[in-house]
Amino acid sequence: GAVVSQHPSWVICKSGTSVKIECRSLDFQATTMFWYRQFPKQSLMLMATSNEGSKATYEQGVEKDKFLINHASLTLSTLTVTSAHPEDSSFYICSAISGTGAYEQYFGPGTRLTVT
Amino acid sequence: AQSVTQLDSQVPVFEEAPVELRCNYSSSVSVYLFWYVQYPNQGLQLLLKYLSGSTLVESINGFEAEFNKSQTSFHLRKPSVHISDTAEYFCAVRNPQGAQKLVFGQGTRLTINP
Repeated sequence: GAVVSQHPSWVICKSGTSVKIECRSLDFQATTMFWYRQFPKQSLMLMATSNEGSKATYEQGVEKDKFLINHASLTLSTLTVTSAHPEDSSFYICSAISGTGAYEQYFGPGTRLTVT
Repeated sequence: AQSVTQLDSQVPVFEEAPVELRCNYSSSVSVYLFWYVQYPNQGLQLLLKYLSGSTLVESINGFEAEFNKSQTSFHLRKPSVHISDTAEYFCAVRNPQGAQKLVFGQGTRLTINP
């Protein structure tokens, strides 16, 4: 149980285009989902927290107009990188929790974005 | 606010040798502590956690970590490592109250040599 999937697993896009990444909780309802960014050989940096049906809360320094997050249902959150540039190339990882008292985050396998 | 420091970015060890991956944290409140493992090109998997109670916690694959409040540490240990333990290991903390977000350390790359 507690499986989180991401789609696509990798994507290559041209500079200036937008790309959408999906994060799904397959066997539980995710009240909260988190989006992280991981640069090569570095740690995960939290980008934003999203709760179903409400606006995402972005961490300081993260451009919310560039990284659009939608948490439309209890099993799906999407991250859209708008007008992507090469510096947006990274590994994007989502995680999900179920319930306000939950302590464990379940992580997706990640999406590798390469912007050319 | 919390912060996590993993003192070693890389730890090379020989197979069947013991290993310790160090983690120190800073927080003005009590915390939950976690170790996550990331195998190449995969997402993170929870290895073990400390929420409360016994300060020594164990995983199913032989790892253990001990919460030391006075030293604000949560070091990860294994008495005998295997090639399959090669991975990136992340220590993380979370405030039990409020927002449920995790703060991660920089990660330690554990490399097992035959």
